[in-house]
Amino acid sequence: QVQLQESGPGLVKPSGTLSLTCAVSGGSISSSNWWSWVRQPPGKGLEWIGEIYHSGSTNYNPSLKSRVTISVDKSKNQFSLKLSSVTAADTAVYYCARDRDYYGSGSYTYYFDYWGQGTLVTVSS
Amino acid sequence: DIQMTQSPSSLSASVGDRVTITCQASQDISNYLNWYQQKPGKAPKLLIYDASNLETGVPSRFSGSGSGTDFTFTISSLQPEDIATYYCQQYDNSPLTFGGGTKVEIK
Repeated sequence: QVQLQESGPGLVKPSGTLSLTCAVSGGSISSSNWWSWVRQPPGKGLEWIGEIYHSGSTNYNPSLKSRVTISVDKSKNQFSLKLSSVTAADTAVYYCARDRDYYGSGSYTYYFDYWGQGTLVTVSS
Repeated sequence: DIQMTQSPSSLSASVGDRVTITCQASQDISNYLNWYQQKPGKAPKLLIYDASNLETGVPSRFSGSGSGTDFTFTISSLQPEDIATYYCQQYDNSPLTFGGGTKVEIK
């Protein structure tokens, strides 16, 4: 059973950089999966931030692309998120998740099958 | 970006009722749509993938249908443990986007 665990500071100052790590256990980050970050402001909906493959290839949400960096550390079986120049609007619960995608029966399937429990990051001075 | 519009944003129903949630995409996404359940303080959980396929281990009272731009999620007989917020999510185009959510409560 794959498990994901987010970690990092729960409080970040405005204009600072938010840094989180997602540790993967019960499976290898070098498997044929992408790995994503998703966030949820308090009381609001879900926003996909971006994803990374173990090769280091990334895809980012254009709305955050200028401020986001996602990286992978295969030796530690983990991946990380950095979000720069944060404001109060970046206050959210941040989730890491495993993407599962495959081709079957002539169609493409993609979903998030494993999630971390989420970590609240508050941007405040 | 593809906009996903869910309705209603909230609903209240009795135990045993049939509950229906709709999700409309701003453009044709074929069947590239998933449904997730999120309980308070928890991460989302996949219920339906490819618009109509039930994830392993998910009760059969949950179902999904639709293609193109209009999709429906149904709970055939609402149970107390179904109290949650439900989200649709498209994966036809990047960035992946979610609907605004539907909060389901017991009347």
